Amino acid sequence: DVKVTQSSRYLVKRTGEKVFLECVQDMDHENMFWYRQDPGLGLRLIYFSYDVKMKEKGDIPEGYSVSREKKERFSLILESASTNQTSMYLCASRTGTGGRGSNQPQHFGDGTRLSIL
Amino acid sequence: GNSVTQMEGPVTLSEEAFLTINCTYTATGYPSLFWYVQYPGEGLQLLLKATKADDKGSNKGFEATYRKETTSFHLEKGSVQVSDSAVYFCVSNDYKLSFGAGTTVTVRA
Repeated sequence: DVKVTQSSRYLVKRTGEKVFLECVQDMDHENMFWYRQDPGLGLRLIYFSYDVKMKEKGDIPEGYSVSREKKERFSLILESASTNQTSMYLCASRTGTGGRGSNQPQHFGDGTRLSIL
Repeated sequence: GNSVTQMEGPVTLSEEAFLTINCTYTATGYPSLFWYVQYPGEGLQLLLKATKADDKGSNKGFEATYRKETTSFHLEKGSVQVSDSAVYFCVSNDYKLSFGAGTTVTVRA
């Protein structure tokens, strides 16, 4: 089974801090994704990466950046955390076969619930 | 671009009741369609998928049929259990995933 591991289940940080959320997958997947999940808004895509050192903005990239130095690891960075970034963050990975993997499902981690005080 | 509209919740049912969650999509191409389920405190899990028109995805007693003519992918289960209580997401996948807002389902014993 695919395993997507997010480094923390719960995290509390202060406004203005630089925050790193880490995600590791063990299936050699090319594609990796970061979402945030908020009540009534569903999942919204922040950034995604189709391969090492490649990244593309999703629907809500403002205030975030990402890093993909190794294939198995995709990091989400909050450059200067703000209270409106309090949310559940979900990482996902997917194989890149089939033309950007459009027929393949994404596999999700258990999420990191981040609180910014 | 793609978008997905699914039935708003919350939905509350009794055990053994019939469940339907409506989902419609808009797409410029022919997306693959998925249903994901999120149990309390967990990440999203793939429930079922369909990759082309008239395909039927099924898993754990749930079914959904890819209807190109009505651009729909409704989720159904004939007899729900308490363990089916979760949030269900309809997802369209063309270039990238488009998620519905999620439908919270609560099944009472």
